[in-house]
Amino acid sequence: QSVLTQPPSVSGAPGQRVTISCTGSSSNIGAGYDVHWYQQFPGTAPKLLIFGNSNRPSGVPDRFSGSKSGTSASLAITGLQAEDEADYYCQSYDSSSWVFGGGTKLTVL
Amino acid sequence: QVQLVESGGGVVQPGRSLRLSCAASGFTFNNYGMHWVRQAPGKGLEWVAVISYDGSNKYYADSVKGRFTISRDNSKNTLYLQMNSLRTEDTAVFYCAKDASSPVWGQGTTVTVSS
Repeated sequence: QSVLTQPPSVSGAPGQRVTISCTGSSSNIGAGYDVHWYQQFPGTAPKLLIFGNSNRPSGVPDRFSGSKSGTSASLAITGLQAEDEADYYCQSYDSSSWVFGGGTKLTVL
Repeated sequence: QVQLVESGGGVVQPGRSLRLSCAASGFTFNNYGMHWVRQAPGKGLEWVAVISYDGSNKYYADSVKGRFTISRDNSKNTLYLQMNSLRTEDTAVFYCAKDASSPVWGQGTTVTVSS
């Protein structure tokens, strides 16, 4: 059971917009801690996609965006592409530790 | 550029020990807390442990408390994870990560606990 809750799977057709939610509590996201998002392909390390709730590292397309409100955060992907098919994880902080969502598998139809 | 390189993984029998290392470069290592995170086969990410920038504070996941020890050598820019009394359920890829406003992760090292 992960501290942060994500939907196990989402899907969308090429060109569509999808969102992935990440729900926490008053001890993590709701306490004001930053939320980061990672993209992971099979057999590879997680790649930082969004940091500090809504910031993109250099090289990440602006099709990816993040937001945070209250005890939840969201990752939005617009103009969905086949190459976006991957696992996505949210991460925040809670009592000196990192906490993660269970991961969401994005399928591009 | 910032780089983290894990090493020390391998195949080990249940009950045995293993020490992982994480060599850091490209940033002032002794200014940052560091984490270990693991991922069991087919599973999600699980936080394992964190150590403060100077090594004075350490915290562990309940699943490894009393068996794993995180440490660092700031003179060598290296993070460690001593893993004792290993169990089959500890089988995973272990990642080290820099605790920063923009976290940085290594590529991981694989630990397999099997008889």
